[in-house]
Amino acid sequence: AQSVSQHNHHVILSEAASLELGCNYSYGGTVNLFWYVQYPGQHLQLLLKYFSGDPLVKGIKGFEAEFIKSKFSFNLRKPSVQWSDTAEYFCAVRSYNQGGKLIFGQGTELSVKP
Amino acid sequence: GAGVSQSPSNKVTEKGKDVELRCDPISGHTALYWYRQRLGQGLEFLIYFQGNSAPDKSGLPSDRFSAERTGESVSTLTIQRTQQEDSAVYLCASSSAATSGGANEQFFGPGTRLTVL
Repeated sequence: AQSVSQHNHHVILSEAASLELGCNYSYGGTVNLFWYVQYPGQHLQLLLKYFSGDPLVKGIKGFEAEFIKSKFSFNLRKPSVQWSDTAEYFCAVRSYNQGGKLIFGQGTELSVKP
Repeated sequence: GAGVSQSPSNKVTEKGKDVELRCDPISGHTALYWYRQRLGQGLEFLIYFQGNSAPDKSGLPSDRFSAERTGESVSTLTIQRTQQEDSAVYLCASSSAATSGGANEQFFGPGTRLTVL
């Protein structure tokens, strides 16, 4: 069965530090990849997505992610975090032949200290 | 509407009672998804609708769970004879399609927090 693994449950950083959140998935076929973010008290919203083409994708608020097919990874990065990035981050995978359903990782809680 | 809405926002029920959770998708979105998020865990897929039919019900945890969608709009998730392990946030999402060739963004609602005592 498909699965998504996020390596860190809780990350604590100071403002201006660099961020990298790991995400690995198990499915071997063609996939679409997503990062969602949930700010405190808000809905889940899409941060960025990968369909095809350039494996380095850029999202909102200065986030980017790199798809490395050989490593089944889709790590999220940001060069310099801000206090407002405090949120929970979810990696998700959709396989091409299974409709639209998303398989989510367990989430990483990011706390940024001002 | 402007976004996906869900009701109620919170539901507290006693073990053994039935509950109904409602989702109103974004107008015109043909695909609708239900997920469950238990405390400290990621989202688990439950079921999705394409129009009024449900091609994939594989995530429903037991026969106590059912869902329907009418008029390619509102969906209701029903949990019969609730158990304490059903306590979770139930999230609904909608998208413009659920096609194999394209991954349209899923827009999520605020969720219903269900507590079974």
